[in-house]
Amino acid sequence: DIVMTQSPDSLAVSLGERATINCKSSQSVLYSSKNKNYLAWYQQKPGQPPKLLIYWASTREFGVPDRFSGSGSGTDFTLTISSLQAEDVAVYYCHQYYSTPYSFGQGTKLEIK
Amino acid sequence: EVQLVESGGGLVQPGGSLRLSCAASGFTFSSYWMHWVRQAPGKGLVWVSRMNSDGSSTTYADSVKGRFTISRDNAKNTLYLQMNSLRVEDTAVYYCARGPGWGFDNWGQGTLVTVSS
Repeated sequence: DIVMTQSPDSLAVSLGERATINCKSSQSVLYSSKNKNYLAWYQQKPGQPPKLLIYWASTREFGVPDRFSGSGSGTDFTLTISSLQAEDVAVYYCHQYYSTPYSFGQGTKLEIK
Repeated sequence: EVQLVESGGGLVQPGGSLRLSCAASGFTFSSYWMHWVRQAPGKGLVWVSRMNSDGSSTTYADSVKGRFTISRDNAKNTLYLQMNSLRVEDTAVYYCARGPGWGFDNWGQGTLVTVSS
């Protein structure tokens, strides 16, 4: 089974500043023949279901602001929010869909400093 | 607009059963893999099960294998999760989610299952 580990567990960033969340998988989620990383990022606000932000490690879902970006390959990935807005306060999860059982990181709680 | 609406949650005693439903609308349900994901109170997301578009293939997390059964009725645009031999640790909000092949792009609001005596 693939274990996903996020860092940090929580993060406080000032409005307008950059926020960076890291995710590491216990084995590669790069499907070499397709050259795709089977890695997604979600945002979850209190009382709401998760919302897909990024898939294939770096493809932004339709309607997601361009301040959100994803990067990385293989086992190491990053979600970056370039200029934090108040509405970005949430818990963020990485997720591998490379192999079952699919798995999520433990979550990173993002707050305003 | 894609909509997924879960129902069927509630309070059940350990060892009991529940059947969750997820009514889908706004897309061609029969074309998509569907998934169940759960979230215990205050905890993270855990994938539970998936079913392919025509219902011929299923996969389960080890923690529910042999106790939960996923199914679907494409004529009714509905996904199900039959949960038997429920345990206290199955207490969670259960979400259904659409799986287009790149993560889960649409989620329902979830239904709460509480297993307690």
